[in-house]
Amino acid sequence: GQNIDQPTEMTATEGAIVQINCTYQTSGFNGLFWYQQHAGEAPTFLSYNVLDGLEEKGRFSSFLSRSKGYSYLLLKELQMKDSASYLCAVRDSNYQLIWGAGTKLIIKP
Amino acid sequence: IAGITQAPTSQILAAGRRMTLRCTQDMRHNAMYWYRQDLGLGLRLIHYSNTAGTTGKGEVPDGYSVSRANTDDFPLTLASAVPSQTSVYFCASSDSPEGVYEQFFGPGTRLTVL
Repeated sequence: GQNIDQPTEMTATEGAIVQINCTYQTSGFNGLFWYQQHAGEAPTFLSYNVLDGLEEKGRFSSFLSRSKGYSYLLLKELQMKDSASYLCAVRDSNYQLIWGAGTKLIIKP
Repeated sequence: IAGITQAPTSQILAAGRRMTLRCTQDMRHNAMYWYRQDLGLGLRLIHYSNTAGTTGKGEVPDGYSVSRANTDDFPLTLASAVPSQTSVYFCASSDSPEGVYEQFFGPGTRLTVL
C-alpha cells in the first residue's frame, strides 16, 4: 500500500527553527509537495521537490532524498502566523497526489 | 480574480437525500480534483478530471459521481447521502497533472449528513 508518515503535532518557539519530517512509500514517484493549511481554511502550496536536494524559498526550505523516501520542511525565524498544519503529498505513478495526515505546528511566544 | 469557488459553504443534509457540490474555476486549468478531508486522515481523492470531457476515479469514489462538461465547472454529486459522507470537501485545480504545477484549492464545503 501507499503510505505517507508525518508527526502528528510539533511545538516550537517564535523566532526559532523547526524541521518537519515526511517519509513515504508510494507506487512510483513524480514529485513531492508541501502545503500549509490554517485551521478552517484550504491548503496552500509551499514547495515542490522532484530531484534530490534542497529547495529554498524565503524562510521556508524543503529537502528531498528519493533513495531514502524522505523529505523535510524547514521553517526559519518562526512567526506566530506559521501556526498551521503542514501537509506532505507525493505524486505517484498515476500522477495522483497521496497525502499525509499533516503535522500541526504550534508556535509559542 | 476569484480562483476557485465552491458552493455551498456548508450544508446539513438528511441521509438518503441527493446533493450536488458545485466547483468553478476561472484559471482555465485543465485538471480538476475533488478531495474529502477527515480528522486524522490525509486528503483523499474522490474523483479527478485531467481535461474537459474526461473523468477518473480516485481512492474513495463509491457513492460519488462527477461530470466535466466544460473547463470551468466540476460538480460532485452524492446520489443518496450516508452519514459516513460527513466531511469537508475540497475542490482543486491545476494547469496539468504533471510537472511542477501545483494544485490550487477552493475554500471547501463542510457537509454534515444526519
